[in-house]
Amino acid sequence: AQTVTQSQPEMSVQEAETVTLSCTYDTSESDYYLFWYKQPPSRQMILVIRQEAYKQQNATENRFSVNFQKAAKSFSLKISDSQLGDAAMYFCAYSPTPNSGNTPLVFGKGTRLSVIA
Amino acid sequence: EAQVTQNPRYLITVTGKKLTVTCSQNMNHEYMSWYRQDPGLGLRQIYYSMNVEVTDKGDVPEGYKVSRKEKRNFPLILESPSPNQTSLYFCASTPPGHRDTQYFGPGTRLTVL
Repeated sequence: AQTVTQSQPEMSVQEAETVTLSCTYDTSESDYYLFWYKQPPSRQMILVIRQEAYKQQNATENRFSVNFQKAAKSFSLKISDSQLGDAAMYFCAYSPTPNSGNTPLVFGKGTRLSVIA
Repeated sequence: EAQVTQNPRYLITVTGKKLTVTCSQNMNHEYMSWYRQDPGLGLRQIYYSMNVEVTDKGDVPEGYKVSRKEKRNFPLILESPSPNQTSLYFCASTPPGHRDTQYFGPGTRLTVL
């Protein structure tokens, strides 16, 4: 079974600085998807960024970027120029390819990010 | 506006009193899921549905039922709730051809006393 591990339960960053959240996963599949979700105090699950495993280029969305190391099964999230609104719980998630059948998201346990003004 | 809605958003109930959490999407999605979120455990899939009248168990289905009589609705049913089902519940749906992208509802905070 696939597993996702986030080894940092809590992180903090100064406003305007850069922070990297770690994620590792385990799968025997060669094709899959990886995601970072943000959960602010409102509890809404917000998709931050997604990466397709067959694409070697790291995904980027504005201040958010990933470092995808397929061989190492590592998928870290870098937040640049951190803002107070970035404070939230961040979840790393894995999904098998949607060829057919169930495509559940497998989530890590989350990293709580605090942003210090 | 494309969205997934859940009701109620908050519910406090007592052990054994049947309840239903509704989930509705207006995007004509076929694939829908229910997840529960517990501290330190992340989100885990309870049930999923590939299409109308097609449902199956996820990782933690015990104590739950679902139905899918219409494409837009996917209610989660707790026939006899117990305190260990106190959790935050999310419904999610995915568009056909883009099953890697899940749209989440706003969540339902359930407390079973």
